[in-house]
This record gives sequence, structure tokens and C-alpha cells, in this order.
Amino acid sequence: AQSVTQPDIHITVSEGASLELRCNYSYGATPYLFWYVQSPGQGLQLLLKYFSGDTLVQGIKGFEAEFKRSQSSFNLRKPSVHWSDAAEYFCAVGVTAVSKLTFGTGTRLQVTL
Amino acid sequence: AAGVIQSPRHLIKEKRETATLKCYPIPRHDTVYWYQQGPGQDPQFLISFYEKMQSDKGSIPDRFSAQQFSDYHSELNMSSLELGDSALYFCASTGTSGTNTQYFGPGTRLTVL
Repeated sequence: AQSVTQPDIHITVSEGASLELRCNYSYGATPYLFWYVQSPGQGLQLLLKYFSGDTLVQGIKGFEAEFKRSQSSFNLRKPSVHWSDAAEYFCAVGVTAVSKLTFGTGTRLQVTL
Repeated sequence: AAGVIQSPRHLIKEKRETATLKCYPIPRHDTVYWYQQGPGQDPQFLISFYEKMQSDKGSIPDRFSAQQFSDYHSELNMSSLELGDSALYFCASTGTSGTNTQYFGPGTRLTVL
């Protein structure tokens, strides 16, 4: 079965600093990979996705992620963080075009001014 | 753009009562997923439907049942509610893009007293 690991439970960065959130997955083939963001008590908003093609994908809000097959990773990056980016970030994996998503445990991002 | 609609947004029930959560997918989306997110937890897959048929089942208690109707909306029925059922329940939908891109609704927050 597939699994997702987000090693960082909580990250604090200063506004304007760069950000990288780590995500590692376990699956025999290339899965469908996603990053979602969740503000407190809110729904899950899709930031970006990867399923094939260019391994560097661009998303909304200035986020990007890079798929590295050799490392089974799909890390999320942003060059300059804004205070409004403070939220919980979930990495998720699906194994087919219509399968359930398996989520990581999430990384809580705190942004200091 | 139209999003996934969930109702009600908040629900308070007593132990042993029943609850019905409704989900209206994005127009022309034929697959619906239900997830449960406990406090401080990642979303856990419950059940999914494709073209009104159950397509996958996760760790859904026997006290819960769900179905998808001819207009593609879905309902999650929960009986004999327990304190541990208090959670945020998300519905997600996806269409035929082949990319497993699941769009999430705002969730229903269920509180069992």
C-alpha cells in the first residue's frame, strides 16, 4: 500500500524567507502527487499536482514542487513566504486516476513578521 | 467556478443519534469521495462512488453508510453516533480528466455530545 511521510510537523519561517516543505512517498510506480493547503477549520485547497511530464510543477499562490523519482520525493517550495501562507500543508498520493488519496500527517507553517 | 457543496456546514448531535451529511459534486464530476479528519489529524478515506456505484471502501465503521444518487450527489448516513465520530467530514469530487484531481468541499463539522 502507498504511504506518505512529511518529516516536519511544524516549521517557522520569517516573512520574505524561502520555504521548502518535504514530502516522501512509498509506492512501486509513479503515483499521482498533490499538495493541499488547509487554513484552520477550513477545507482543503489544491495547490498543485503531478502525474507525468515535467518534474517541476507550478501551482497557485507562487508555490512550486519538484518530483524526484530517485528520492521518492515531492517537495514544495516557495521563494518568498507571505504572512497569509501560514496554514497546514498536506502532501497526498493517489495510485490511479480515480483512487482514494492517502495523506501525510501534515506540516504546520508559521510565519513570523 | 462551481465548487463542491456540502451541507450542513455544522452539525451537533447527541450520542446514539443519527446524522446525514450531503455532498453536491462539481457539475459533470461523476466520482465522489468521503474523508474524515479528526482533530489535529490528516484526512482519512472513508468511501467513494463512481457512477452511483461504490468504487472503494476505507476504514468506514459499519454504523456508517453512503450512497450516490442519480444526480451524482452523495449522502453519508451515520447512526448510533459516538463521541469519537466528532470530526470534520470532507467530500471531494473528480471528473474524467484522468489526473485524479480531487476538489474538496468546505467540510461538515460534526460534534457529538
